[in-house]
Amino acid sequence: DAKTTQPNSMESNEEEPVHLPCNHSTISGTDYIHWYRQLPSQGPEYVIHGLTSNVNNRMASLAIAEDRKSSTLILHRATLRDAAVYYCILRDFNSGGSNYKLTFGKGTLLTVNP
Amino acid sequence: EPEVTQTPSHQVTQMGQEVILRCVPISNHLYFYWYRQILGQKVEFLVSFYNNEISEKSEIFDDQFSVERPDGSNFTLKIRSTKLEDSAMYFCASSGSNTGELFFGEGSRLTVL
Repeated sequence: DAKTTQPNSMESNEEEPVHLPCNHSTISGTDYIHWYRQLPSQGPEYVIHGLTSNVNNRMASLAIAEDRKSSTLILHRATLRDAAVYYCILRDFNSGGSNYKLTFGKGTLLTVNP
Repeated sequence: EPEVTQTPSHQVTQMGQEVILRCVPISNHLYFYWYRQILGQKVEFLVSFYNNEISEKSEIFDDQFSVERPDGSNFTLKIRSTKLEDSAMYFCASSGSNTGELFFGEGSRLTVL
């Protein structure tokens, strides 16, 4: 699996935007960029994914660099409930596998201050 | 909103005992996964399951582990003879397609004494 690099931790204030970076300089043309998060004492939770274009959903936005070597997860207005570990994961849907499992790294621990 | 449910939430067992962790995936999902997370460490892939057979397994998933979908709704992980190092949170996940998002349960904490 292609490797991603994320900061170990970040801090934000409540109701302010948060930009969580991810570097994936060895990304292949068929890798999709996925973001999951894990709230304290819970299982991972899907946030968003994209291939080339920026994506928006009700939880977040994903900004993908033109060369696809990096991406940024944007939480538009952080709440205390957004405090979690955020994982940036590459998933290659042309790898020939049948299940395209997720491979988690260490992620970024986001702390949200009230 | 449909969810993946796991039981038990916490199990304490003696080393060498057999443990079965149960999962009820989302009803129309066809792809199933088990992951584990040792305290303070990464979420690690154990096994994926589709069409009543294992699709892929990691090196962690040795002969002591097995999975089963006994009745079309439950998806179980069995550890035949638990070791101290099996103590972890075990997460079940399901997906509607092999490229779809994974939906995770809240986990079963296994403590081996």
